[in-house]
Amino acid sequence: RKEVEQDPGPFNVPEGATVAFNCTYSNSASQSFFWYRQDCRKEPKLLMSVYSSGNEDGRFTAQLNRASQYISLLIRDSKLSDSATYLCVGTSGNTPLVFGKGTRLSVIA
Amino acid sequence: NAGVTQTPKFQVLKTGQSMTLQCAQDMNHEYMSWYRQDPGMGLRLIHYSVGAGITDQGEVPNGYNVSRSTTEDFPLRLLSAAPSQTSVYFCASSSVSGGAHEQYFGPGTRLTVT
Repeated sequence: RKEVEQDPGPFNVPEGATVAFNCTYSNSASQSFFWYRQDCRKEPKLLMSVYSSGNEDGRFTAQLNRASQYISLLIRDSKLSDSATYLCVGTSGNTPLVFGKGTRLSVIA
Repeated sequence: NAGVTQTPKFQVLKTGQSMTLQCAQDMNHEYMSWYRQDPGMGLRLIHYSVGAGITDQGEVPNGYNVSRSTTEDFPLRLLSAAPSQTSVYFCASSSVSGGAHEQYFGPGTRLTVT
């Protein structure tokens, strides 16, 4: 079983909607988690880190649930420019990052 | 800062040919890695390095070699290209400090093997 699993989508949502993605991880020793964003035919870029206490950055909120071993990303008031693939990532200490396969979001006008 | 640079951007090879994908970073990052990305497979780690002179295998290392003679450069060598190596290759770097793992990716090399 892959260490990090995501629903590949696509999630098709209208502008202004709220959308949430979950990502489950199997390695209970994983300590650090991140969400990356990847636009079509571009490289991934860090969107935000995920802390146990939660992390909010504007319209984006990331949460970590260690008991159930999942992380989530909530996007409020979706914009057309939010259309992308969102990758969740986990790591334990300095071991290599393990990426999920990504969840594709399409925001529709 | 240029960040992470990769060359070439596009490459077509014939089966059996060898080539080197170049990767360089100017951020003095210790940690560098190579990923390949295929449709439906996500990013898979090929090789990584935690510092000059140190390399290790990732999830899919077969058919690839790496070396890390300097902090800045981390080339990926395809020994004998196969159609299964058709993919998009990303190089990434990060500062290994305090468990921080923000990875900075290069723009990618799109490789086709015929």
